[in-house]
Amino acid sequence: GQQLNQSPQSMFIQEGEDVSMNCTSSSIFNTWLWYKQDPGEGPVLLIALYKAGELTSNGRLTAQFGITRKDSFLNISASIPSDVGIYFCAGPYSGGGADGLTFGKGTHLIIQP
Amino acid sequence: NAGVTQTPKFQVLKTGQSMTLQCAQDMNHEYMSWYRQDPGMGLRLIHYSVGAGITDQGEVPNGYNVSRSTTEDFPLRLLSAAPSQTSVYFCASSYSGAAEAFFGQGTRLTVV
Repeated sequence: GQQLNQSPQSMFIQEGEDVSMNCTSSSIFNTWLWYKQDPGEGPVLLIALYKAGELTSNGRLTAQFGITRKDSFLNISASIPSDVGIYFCAGPYSGGGADGLTFGKGTHLIIQP
Repeated sequence: NAGVTQTPKFQVLKTGQSMTLQCAQDMNHEYMSWYRQDPGMGLRLIHYSVGAGITDQGEVPNGYNVSRSTTEDFPLRLLSAAPSQTSVYFCASSYSGAAEAFFGQGTRLTVV
């Protein structure tokens, strides 16, 4: 499967700060997905991207599909305590889109009071 | 509005025991898949299915079997559990493989 490198591994921020994280692939993707996982729960889809250069927002979250098709970015504006969790990027397991997903190792977001 | 339902939520097995993790979805999705999540490893694809009667291997298939007799169900079988299979297992479904996948709440399995 594809290799996804996600950074940073963890982030310690103050409430109200903006957050940026990114994900790079060893090969071209035709889909980028961003998930959030709360403790003890399954991942929940935040944003799906299907086109190079696409910029999509979901409330305070904005994600972009890189024009090289090998990277994607997720930004969270004005962080709040419920943003705490693990954020994963994901894409097609084999690139073809006919199977499951491959995931990055996640970015742990920790908000300091 | 159940979505993807996994049972059991927790399980402890002894080495060598067998068990089946159940997964059911009510969204009429053709694609279903199983993942395991280990600390620091993200989620890794075990097996997937593109429809009833069709299954294939993912990144880490060894030690696991699957079958897909109906659209709704996709059970994961451990034939002879090993401590290395201690993990959290997630089932997911989607209308296509690389489209938005909906995940269950997971099964936390410990093999002693």
